[in-house]
Amino acid sequence: GAVVSQHPSWVICKSGTSVKIECRSLDFQATTMFWYRQFPKQSLMLMATSNEGSKATYEQGVEKDKFLINHASLTLSTLTVTSAHPEDSSFYICSASPTGGTRSNQPQHFGDGTRLSIL
Amino acid sequence: AQKITQTQPGMFVQEKEAVTLDCTYDTSDPSYGLFWYKQPSSGEMIFLIYQGSYDQQNATEGRYSLNFQKARKSANLVISASQLGDSAMYFCAMSPRGNAGKSTFGDGTTLTVKP
Repeated sequence: GAVVSQHPSWVICKSGTSVKIECRSLDFQATTMFWYRQFPKQSLMLMATSNEGSKATYEQGVEKDKFLINHASLTLSTLTVTSAHPEDSSFYICSASPTGGTRSNQPQHFGDGTRLSIL
Repeated sequence: AQKITQTQPGMFVQEKEAVTLDCTYDTSDPSYGLFWYKQPSSGEMIFLIYQGSYDQQNATEGRYSLNFQKARKSANLVISASQLGDSAMYFCAMSPRGNAGKSTFGDGTTLTVKP
């Protein structure tokens, strides 16, 4: 089946550091990928839609300059948390569906997520 | 706008028993898809089952079945013969037709299977 790889799994870093998270579709191409944020015991909140070759579409309330998204190829999207602070600590998870899979019955394939802890 | 409501923050079930996890939804889209995902404590999201709004029959996937009642806007997940490994958080999600990736998720239900 379709596989999405997310790296790193865990990040612990000091306040003020920028952190890059990668999301790769390993066996399919994805023109669109999605970035979610999840607090403990809570739901997934869509942060932004990553579009290959163009600007990401951010959800209301998400700071574009804080969460930089780049989708440089059909298999890779990156999320960079710039100048991270403790309040940015969270579980970040990406998802993708194969390009051309615009049927609504195609589930998202999720990465395993990244636990980000800012000290 | 789409909205998913899961009213059961936590559920307990005895091993080998069946359990139903509730999900109601609201949308103005005439066509949509409903999904259930499982999230173990390790964090990964695992796709379980899908139901299309125009599907005539309820979806089934092994021990998982979806009780779809369109008029009531409900899409409950039924897990039969519960196993200890079923203990996890379960999310109901909806996507508009033609945009499978952009899903709206419910708040989730934590299922605990007792031995």
